Amino acid sequence: DAKTTQPNSMESNEEEPVHLPCNHSTISGTDYIHWYRQLPSQGPEYVIHGLTSNVNNRMASLAIAEDRKSSTLILHRATLRDAAVYYCILHGGTSYGKLTFGQGTILTVHP
Amino acid sequence: DGGITQSPKYLFRKEGQNVTLSCEQNLNHDAMYWYRQDPGQGLRLIYYSQIVNDFQKGDIAEGYSVSREKKESFPLTVTSAQKNPTAFYLCATVAGGLGGDTQYFGPGTRLTVL
Repeated sequence: DAKTTQPNSMESNEEEPVHLPCNHSTISGTDYIHWYRQLPSQGPEYVIHGLTSNVNNRMASLAIAEDRKSSTLILHRATLRDAAVYYCILHGGTSYGKLTFGQGTILTVHP
Repeated sequence: DGGITQSPKYLFRKEGQNVTLSCEQNLNHDAMYWYRQDPGQGLRLIYYSQIVNDFQKGDIAEGYSVSREKKESFPLTVTSAQKNPTAFYLCATVAGGLGGDTQYFGPGTRLTVL
């Protein structure tokens, strides 16, 4: 599975936008970019995913670089409930659901 | 409610004892997975099953065993051969196997071996 690189931690203030970066320079043409987040002592929660085009849903937006070697998860207005570990994961068409989790980015949101 | 149930939430066992962690789903998903998470680390895949009566080893299968006799259930047994079993265990499902499919996670079981 191709690897992803994320910053260990980021901080934000409440109600400000947050941009969480992810590098995936070895991404293959069939790899989807998935983002999950995990609150303390809970299972990960799906946030968003995309293949080539930018994606929006009620939780966040995903901006994918034209060469697909990087992506950015955008939380438009951070809340205290968004404080979590965010994982950027590549999921290929042949891996049958197996997700390879790195250490993720710890997001701290200040009131 | 549709979802994934893991029980118990907390489990304590003595060293040398086998212990079985439960995972039940009513999402009608084909594939089920077991992950292990150590403090401050990401998730690591233990076993996965794509269909009933079939399962494959993940990256850290040694010391663990599974069964998949029903679509809804995928129990994980932590055996005495697992050298460091204390961890947070997560069960997950996915509807299909394609790269665009979302994985759903249960609430987890925290196992502590005394």
